[in-house]
Amino acid sequence: AQSVTQPDIHITVSEGASLELRCNYSYGATPYLFWYVQSPGQGLQLLLKYFSGDTLVQGIKGFEAEFKRSQSSFNLRKPSVHWSDAAEYFCAVGAGNQGGKLIFGQGTELSVKP
Amino acid sequence: SQTIHQWPATLVQPVGSPLSLECTVEGTSNPNLYWYRQAAGRGLQLLFYSVGIGQISSEVPQNLSASRPQDRQFILSSKKLLLSDSGFYLCAWNKGISSPLHFGNGTRLTVT
Repeated sequence: AQSVTQPDIHITVSEGASLELRCNYSYGATPYLFWYVQSPGQGLQLLLKYFSGDTLVQGIKGFEAEFKRSQSSFNLRKPSVHWSDAAEYFCAVGAGNQGGKLIFGQGTELSVKP
Repeated sequence: SQTIHQWPATLVQPVGSPLSLECTVEGTSNPNLYWYRQAAGRGLQLLFYSVGIGQISSEVPQNLSASRPQDRQFILSSKKLLLSDSGFYLCAWNKGISSPLHFGNGTRLTVT
């Protein structure tokens, strides 16, 4: 069965600084990987996804993520964080042979200092 | 365009009372439907998913059940709530692994 680990529960960065949120997955075959963002009290919004091909994927709001098979990682990055990026971020993995269900990590809460 | 409706937004229920949360999707047919629960510090836990009417898969043993009486309706139920059922419940849908998972705005359930 697949699983996802987000090692950092909470991260604080200064506005304008770069950001990297870590995600490690466990799955025997090629995974489908996703990053979602959740604002307080809201549902989740898709930031980006990786299925195959180029291992560096671009998403909305200036985010990107890189799939590294050798490290079983799919870290999320942004070169310059804005105050509006403060939210909770979830990494998720899906399997092609299990319909559309996704398994989510524990989430990383991002705070942005002015 | 597709939309997902989930209600109520908040709910306070006593221990031992029944529960019914409803989720409906508009603008698509035969979606895959999901119920997730979010507890503080524990991320999103997949509770149930359904790939068609009357087809329910349970991911974790628990006090809850799910039903799909119509193609675009997904219901989460309990006969007797426990304190541990408190949490933020999210309904979601997609059309398979290659399509995005769309979430409702969630229901905040507090069991007292």
